[in-house]
Amino acid sequence: DAKTTQPPSMDCAEGRAANLPCNHSTISGNEYVYWYRQIHSQGPQYIIHGLKNNETNEMASLIITEDRKSSTLILPHATLRDTAVYYCIVRVMNTGFQKLVFGTGTRLLVSP
Amino acid sequence: ETGVTQTPRHLVMGMTNKKSLKCEQHLGHNAMYWYKQSAKKPLELMFVYSLEERVENNSVPSRFSPECPNSSHLFLHLHTLQPEDSALYLCASSQDRTPRAGEQYFGPGTRLTVT
Repeated sequence: DAKTTQPPSMDCAEGRAANLPCNHSTISGNEYVYWYRQIHSQGPQYIIHGLKNNETNEMASLIITEDRKSSTLILPHATLRDTAVYYCIVRVMNTGFQKLVFGTGTRLLVSP
Repeated sequence: ETGVTQTPRHLVMGMTNKKSLKCEQHLGHNAMYWYKQSAKKPLELMFVYSLEERVENNSVPSRFSPECPNSSHLFLHLHTLQPEDSALYLCASSQDRTPRAGEQYFGPGTRLTVT
């Protein structure tokens, strides 16, 4: 699986958009980008995933560059409850078993 | 509430004890996972069961023994653990062999302390 690079930490003011970047310059054509987050001492939570088109759901938006070498997770109106570690993972999409490899992620701190 | 429950939530055990962690998923998934998360380290995948068959065993010491009696239940049997085994143990499930296989749903974890 391709390696991802994320900043170790970011700050965001409550109510503002949080834009979390991820570099995956060695991503293959059949690898999807997944985002998870982990609130302190809880299990990780799936947020969103995508291949090359931008994706949006009730939690966040995912913007993937045209060359697919980087992506940005956007939390449009961050709240204090969005304080967490955010993980960007690339994974082959197929119907066989493929594991998720979690890195160290970005620690997002949302402040009042 | 993710549909994945784990018991106990906290466990303190001596190095000579035998204990078991339990995980149950109510999502109808066909794959279940055990992860270990030590302080300030990334999640480490320990075991994976897909369709009740173990498909991944990530060089885990034999003092950890998984059991998957059916697709809804997963156990992790512990014996003669070491203090460095103290960690958060997380269970997850997913619908393997489908386009949603990468969406894993995690339980709240068991905080294990080995004394």
